[in-house]
Amino acid sequence: EEQLAESGGDLVQPGGSLRLSCDASGNTFRSYWMAWVRQAPEKGLEWVATINVDGSEKFYVGSVKGRFTISRDRAKNSLYLQMDSLRAEDTAMYYCARENRANFDIWGQGTVVTVSS
Amino acid sequence: EIVMTQSPATLSVSPGERATLSCRASQNVDTRLAWYQQKRGQPPRLLIYDASTRATGIPARFSGSGSGTEFTLTISSPQSEDFVVYYCQQYKHWPPMYTFGQGTKLEIK
Repeated sequence: EEQLAESGGDLVQPGGSLRLSCDASGNTFRSYWMAWVRQAPEKGLEWVATINVDGSEKFYVGSVKGRFTISRDRAKNSLYLQMDSLRAEDTAMYYCARENRANFDIWGQGTVVTVSS
Repeated sequence: EIVMTQSPATLSVSPGERATLSCRASQNVDTRLAWYQQKRGQPPRLLIYDASTRATGIPARFSGSGSGTEFTLTISSPQSEDFVVYYCQQYKHWPPMYTFGQGTKLEIK
């Protein structure tokens, strides 16, 4: 069964940095685009970033451009999100998800990021 | 940015009564629309993609329709586990700029 497991969430001060990881089990993730989607407490879903199969193309929502970097290591079957210059409004549950023709068909359980002093 | 608007914010129906959830796009997305279900404390689950195709393992009581800017998710006879939150998402925009609706909570009347 294909599964995703996020890690790396933590409490961090405004202006700080954090790196999230997403480990994939199963052999098909290497062939798919992957994404990060977040959900602020008691709020809706927000797409954050997407990366293509070989990592050569990356796309971001406007509010994180220049601060967040998505990357992947196909050999390790892992996805990452480097988050710099964090703000209070980045506080959320962060999910990694497999993109299948631009919709998200497999999700991890999420990791919590809290930005607060 | 394509804005997705879901209505109503909360829908109250009796178990077994048909539930109809709406999603409107601020511009044409063709049939590039998905629906997700989210239970409290869990990640979202893909229900419908391409506006009307059920994802793997999704019961037949869930159906999607629409194209362009107006979409509907219908639950023909909601079961107790269906009274949770539903989101629509467009994936028409290129380069990718995916956007979700704000969600509809389905509650028991």
